[in-house]
Amino acid sequence: ETGVTQTPRHLVMGMTNKKSLKCEQHLGHNAMYWYKQSAKKPLELMFVYSLEERVENNSVPSRFSPECPNSSHLFLHLHTLQPEDSALYLCASSQLTGVDEQFFGPGTRLTVL
Amino acid sequence: GQNIDQPTEMTATEGAIVQINCTYQTSGFNGLFWYQQHAGEAPTFLSYNVLDGLEEKGRFSSFLSRSKGYSYLLLKELQMKDSASYLCAVSNMLTFGGGTRLMVKP
Repeated sequence: ETGVTQTPRHLVMGMTNKKSLKCEQHLGHNAMYWYKQSAKKPLELMFVYSLEERVENNSVPSRFSPECPNSSHLFLHLHTLQPEDSALYLCASSQLTGVDEQFFGPGTRLTVL
Repeated sequence: GQNIDQPTEMTATEGAIVQINCTYQTSGFNGLFWYQQHAGEAPTFLSYNVLDGLEEKGRFSSFLSRSKGYSYLLLKELQMKDSASYLCAVSNMLTFGGGTRLMVKP
């Protein structure tokens, strides 16, 4: 595997379900990011991790819970989501935090029923 | 707060030149990114401007004026494959504009 990978690519879940999105980067980068991309809205930064420590949390609801066990892996744990949370969730990584080219994964298309 | 504006859509002809503008008002600024995103795909990096002026990279160039809060992406010799959304983003808070959807016609 090369670059940034995300699993699953598609996910359908009910509002009472608990699921997790996984991201893995094979680039040796120090920073990882979660973004939300909804139709007709700008790409929204959700969480930033630098060297496995969270450095940014843009007022994201607590039903989204990130986890970064090491510099190569990033998870987004989901529980009791709402239909308006349906979106494309993109993971990205970069060598430096916030001031460097980001490499994006292919995203997980999430649908909340 | 952060505010980034880009035109929603633009149309241009194959072989032509197109300029996509981005204006921003932010509480902090380190630099400005441009990304390209084809429909159904992830964004890919085009440029990062920190200093004022024009940076050229093949058919694509990016300009920044920090005093005016203004940037543009210049695409030359347009090709059909350039049809995509172009996103500008301000570093510091990693705030993205809404993106400009560019359609290149034959």
